[in-house]
Amino acid sequence: DTAVSQTPKYLVTQMGNDKSIKCEQNLGHDTMYWYKQDSKKFLKIMFSYNNKELIINETVPNRFSPKSPDKAHLNLHINSLELGDSAVYFCASSQGAMRTGELFFGEGSRLTVL
Amino acid sequence: RKEVEQDPGPFNVPEGATVAFNCTYSNSASQSFFWYRQDCRKEPKLLMSVYSSGNEDGRFTAQLNRASQYISLLIRDSKLSDSATYLCVVRAGTALIFGKGTTLSVSS
Repeated sequence: DTAVSQTPKYLVTQMGNDKSIKCEQNLGHDTMYWYKQDSKKFLKIMFSYNNKELIINETVPNRFSPKSPDKAHLNLHINSLELGDSAVYFCASSQGAMRTGELFFGEGSRLTVL
Repeated sequence: RKEVEQDPGPFNVPEGATVAFNCTYSNSASQSFFWYRQDCRKEPKLLMSVYSSGNEDGRFTAQLNRASQYISLLIRDSKLSDSATYLCVVRAGTALIFGKGTTLSVSS
């Protein structure tokens, strides 16, 4: 069983479109994250939710909106996609909002904006 | 100044070599330190935590110098399977801050 699963794995779309990426974890963790890894491989945190409550909201355009319907799911919706949004988006989870330091990542969703 | 800085490499070494990676961090209030490994086109995975006293896990040794805000990873007897990008990671508050990674390529 995949611990952290994201869908879709690949997404190719046009500028201006709206898209969503879904994430689910079956580890029973209470904290979930979205990270963005750009073409230079820099992995940067975007959002974090602990028990469905937003606890980290980095400087991210408000075109990006996370939603956590329950603590096992964290989805990412992106409006009005731009070329610069092309990246790999990783979902991750952990127990205890970083007490252990171990994040469990999904396989990533590779977004290409044309 | 970047929060976590690493030499990007690549480090190209033969099998059996010993290789060391360095990392510096800017936030003196950082609380915890880690090395993650990321294979090509895969997700990052925790390699090991880094403790003030230094710690070892098989062929891997991690060191932390809080005064210099410096972290290191030593890999002994490199294997082909060690080829990957090694990410220095620092926890400040509730966020894990990742360095850009150092790429290692081990050849036969």
